[in-house]
Amino acid sequence: EAGVAQSPRYKIIEKRQSVAFWCNPISGHATLYWYQQILGQGPKLLIQFQNNGVVDDSQLPKDRFSAERLKGVDSTLKIQPAKLEDSAVYLCASSLVSGFGTGELFFGEGSRLTVL
Amino acid sequence: KQEVTQIPAALSVPEGENLVLNCSFTDSAIYNLQWFRQDPGKGLTSLLLIQSSQREQTSGRLNASLDKSSGRSTLYIAASQPGDSATYLCAVRDPRAGSNYQLIWGAGTKLIIKP
Repeated sequence: EAGVAQSPRYKIIEKRQSVAFWCNPISGHATLYWYQQILGQGPKLLIQFQNNGVVDDSQLPKDRFSAERLKGVDSTLKIQPAKLEDSAVYLCASSLVSGFGTGELFFGEGSRLTVL
Repeated sequence: KQEVTQIPAALSVPEGENLVLNCSFTDSAIYNLQWFRQDPGKGLTSLLLIQSSQREQTSGRLNASLDKSSGRSTLYIAASQPGDSATYLCAVRDPRAGSNYQLIWGAGTKLIIKP
């Protein structure tokens, strides 16, 4: 079974530029998550989708971050304009629907962003 | 507010030793707890998931226990190998963290197994 796919793996941009990350979850997984992980810290949830609807985006900096999930499968996360503090690894995860999205999470390898 | 703590932040042990990693949480009303492994520059790999009604889960050389009343979980690794070197994170599913039982994460324990 294919895992969660993410691209690009690495991205270096200058501040105020824009960047987009792509995620393809495990087939059949209705719940998709985007996390931000800063070095030495646990992941921080940015947004959670159930199919193509947003369930939780309370910690998404909406003035610069946006995310969408087309047709309830692939998802993209965009940052525009980027700030230095956005340097982090952006992790995508998916899970089967299991009561309030409480199933086991499976992660992609992440997209490492460096903002100069 | 639920908080998850993992102590120590780093641990170095010789190959072959049995070891225990700790995870503590402040609110015992959790839905489940999950242990993950993260290799440098990689995403997270799910190791074990324990539901709130369970006391332990086993997978190969790994055994995770859960004691809700004391707010603790341990990850036991038997006969450690250099390939076990990684950062281990725990996360609790908190039914009071938003309407969707969000995961609350520890910062992880960085484990180094010396050959």
